[in-house]
Amino acid sequence: QKEVEQNSGPLSVPEGAIASLNCTYSDRGSQSFFWYRQYSGKSPELIMFIYSNGDKEDGRFTAQLNKASQYVSLLIRDSQPSDSATYLCAVNVDNNDMRFGAGTRLTVKP
Amino acid sequence: DGGITQSPKYLFRKEGQNVTLSCEQNLNHDAMYWYRQDPGQGLRLIYYSQIVNDFQKGDIAEGYSVSREKKESFPLTVTSAQKNPTAFYLCASSRAGLGANEKLFFGSGTQLSVL
Repeated sequence: QKEVEQNSGPLSVPEGAIASLNCTYSDRGSQSFFWYRQYSGKSPELIMFIYSNGDKEDGRFTAQLNKASQYVSLLIRDSQPSDSATYLCAVNVDNNDMRFGAGTRLTVKP
Repeated sequence: DGGITQSPKYLFRKEGQNVTLSCEQNLNHDAMYWYRQDPGQGLRLIYYSQIVNDFQKGDIAEGYSVSREKKESFPLTVTSAQKNPTAFYLCASSRAGLGANEKLFFGSGTQLSVL
């Protein structure tokens, strides 16, 4: 079974802090990795993607990938209350097989 | 604006009834997908289609049917055989099939509930 695991949370951080979200995956053949943000009752929105080992930065967001350890993480710097949402980790295992974690609920407190 | 349109936003099904969820995209994407989301669970793939007139079952296809007669449209029918249909249904598309580096984009979703 090709699994993607995330801590369900809730993860609570104060405004301005760094939020760290983690995801592990089971299939070593996984090729590409995505983070989606989902507000309650809304559809997932793609915020970051990463294909190679290392870090990728986009504004306040940094995705980190370590294929040897099979984890991918998302850091959110200077967290804002508007970042409060559920963050879904998705892993593209092979053609037409995108696996999603159950999501981590993040709350940023003013 | 390009995007994926799902309708209706909310849908209620009576026991024994078939209902159809609409999904239309104007992104000129070849591939389209239907996912189901239950509280506290990850998205699960119901069906996907890479080209017109062709579609494949996903992990939880039982009780569902689809068609792909046009590139832009991929409707999902929830049949009476689906005994637990209450969920949030998400339609998605990608430029091509989900090979390396392809991204998935979602519609706004349909919340289906049983009366």
